[in-house]
Amino acid sequence: AQSVAQPEDQVNVAEGNPLTVKCTYSVSGNPYLFWYVQYPNRGLQFLLKYITGDNLVKGSYGFEAEFNKSQTSFHLKKPSALVSDSALYFCAVRDPSGNTPLVFGKGTRLSVIA
Amino acid sequence: DTGVSQDPRHKITKRGQNVTFRCDPISEHNRLYWYRQTLGQGPEFLTYFQNEAQLEKSRLLSDRFSAERPKGSFSTLEIQRTEQGDSAMYLCASSLGQGRRMNTEAFFGQGTRLTVV
Repeated sequence: AQSVAQPEDQVNVAEGNPLTVKCTYSVSGNPYLFWYVQYPNRGLQFLLKYITGDNLVKGSYGFEAEFNKSQTSFHLKKPSALVSDSALYFCAVRDPSGNTPLVFGKGTRLSVIA
Repeated sequence: DTGVSQDPRHKITKRGQNVTFRCDPISEHNRLYWYRQTLGQGPEFLTYFQNEAQLEKSRLLSDRFSAERPKGSFSTLEIQRTEQGDSAMYLCASSLGQGRRMNTEAFFGQGTRLTVV
């Protein structure tokens, strides 16, 4: 069964500094990987996905993520954090071999401090 | 607004009562998902429809839970004889899929927050 681990419950970063939110996955075969963001009292918003092709994926709001098959990781990154990036971030994985739903990690709360 | 909409946004109910939530997906999306999210956790999969067919149900979906998507458009999630442990945010999502391809992203509604007292 597929699974996702987000090892950090909380990440704090100063505004203007680069940020990284970590994600590792477990799935048989090649995964489909996704990042979502959740603001307070809101649903999840799609940021980016990796299906195939380039390991570096660019998404919304200046975010990007790098797929690393050998480390089974898909870390979310942004070169320069904004206070408005403060939110809850979820990594999700789907096994493409069947009709499986998205499986989410527990989430990482990002706080960007001015 | 052409996104996924859920109704109601909030529901407070007494233990033992039945509740029903509605989800209207993005109009051209053929796949619809229900998830449950509790505080400090990521969304947990409940069930999934492709058009009107319910293709998968999680073991989390006890026999008190039932979901329908009668015409392949909107969906309802009913919880019978609610328990305090049912208190959570219930999220609906939709996506556009072709055949068995599952590589498209899902778009989420704002959720229905259920409180069972």
